[in-house]
Amino acid sequence: GNSVTQMEGPVTLSEEAFLTINCTYTATGYPSLFWYVQYPGEGLQLLLKATKADDKGSNKGFEATYRKETTSFHLEKGSVQVSDSAVYFCALSGDAGGTSYGKLTFGQGTILTVHP
Amino acid sequence: EAQVTQNPRYLITVTGKKLTVTCSQNMNHEYMSWYRQDPGLGLRQIYYSMNVEVTDKGDVPEGYKVSRKEKRNFPLILESPSPNQTSLYFCASGRQGTSAQYFGPGTRLLVL
Repeated sequence: GNSVTQMEGPVTLSEEAFLTINCTYTATGYPSLFWYVQYPGEGLQLLLKATKADDKGSNKGFEATYRKETTSFHLEKGSVQVSDSAVYFCALSGDAGGTSYGKLTFGQGTILTVHP
Repeated sequence: EAQVTQNPRYLITVTGKKLTVTCSQNMNHEYMSWYRQDPGLGLRQIYYSMNVEVTDKGDVPEGYKVSRKEKRNFPLILESPSPNQTSLYFCASGRQGTSAQYFGPGTRLLVL
């Protein structure tokens, strides 16, 4: 079945540092890939997505590139802010026509704390 | 405002007392789903619905029921809650043909 493996946290950075959170996946076919963010006490928000190989998703300074050859979708940001402190989830959805289409399979989440 | 709403947001109950968590979306989405979030386990799908009157089990359906009588609503029913169902529950919805989903604010359930 599908699975997502995320870099274990927590990750603690100083403001303006470079961020990478690793994510690799196992899936058949051509899944869609997502990063969701969960701020304290809130639900999950879609941060960015990519639906095919070599696509780059980007939003709010965050980027991730769909790498089929390495089955990865690492999240990066060049300069983090205190307001980026949150839990980040990598997720995938099976390809259209597959039995897992629409279902999101999540990684365990990575807690990011950014200090001033 | 486009949103997914859940009620209640917080609930404390006792073992065996039936409860329902409601979920409603105003985006006319066909797809709806329930997840539970537990420390160290991430989010796991409980049930999902591809459209009205079409529901199916996710990864952890035991102890839960759902119904989809209207497109906008997808309630989660715990007929006889047990302490291992203490968790944070999220409802989500999405448009047919796309795989991005939009999440509600969560319902924190404690079963004593």
